[in-house]
Amino acid sequence: EVQLVESGGGLVEPGRSLRLSCAASGFNFGDYAMHWVRQAPGKGLEWVSGISRYSGRIGYADSVKGRFTISRDNAKNSLYLQMNSLRAEDTALYYCAKDVYDSYAMDVWGQGTTVTVSS
Amino acid sequence: QSALTQPPSASGSPGQSVTISCTGTSGDVGGYHYVSWYQHHPGKAPKLIIYEITKRPSGVPDRFSGSKSGNTASLTVSGLQAEDEADYYCSSYAGSNNLGVFGGGTKLTVL
Repeated sequence: EVQLVESGGGLVEPGRSLRLSCAASGFNFGDYAMHWVRQAPGKGLEWVSGISRYSGRIGYADSVKGRFTISRDNAKNSLYLQMNSLRAEDTALYYCAKDVYDSYAMDVWGQGTTVTVSS
Repeated sequence: QSALTQPPSASGSPGQSVTISCTGTSGDVGGYHYVSWYQHHPGKAPKLIIYEITKRPSGVPDRFSGSKSGNTASLTVSGLQAEDEADYYCSSYAGSNNLGVFGGGTKLTVL
């Protein structure tokens, strides 16, 4: 079964850091680009960051550029999101998602991990 | 990098068709064929229903179809069913720096 499982969310104070992880199984992880997408409470989906199969192409939403870093370890079938200088507006449910195949479309999603930034 | 523009709501009766628009710019929707659509029921993970403007993943009914003209993409849901009631989001490739952008979402109500 193709599956993505996010972890690492939690309650964190403004200005602090958090690292999200996404464990992939059931498919050849290294063959696909991956993405992070978030949904703030009561808001729509927001694309956060994406990374190509071998990390050669990486992109970020303007709202997180310079603060978040995406990475992957194909040997460990894992995707990561290092989030620094967190702000209240980063509070959201964070989804890990698999790309169809360099189509910038996401066909497999995890259930998400919640990040709450508050003092 | 601005979100793509979608109408906040749409509605139709069972059996009818409804079309949801998604307007961007030449830097995203209009410039590439990488437009996708997602169905999102509250409390569940989003589901891909259209990718590369017109393609349907395996298992998605052919009642869902996509198109694009200029900077505007569209999703048409034909033969509306009660289970189609959900939030729908468009997304597009937005260039080598940003990679992706979503629309604000459209809440589809089946009357």
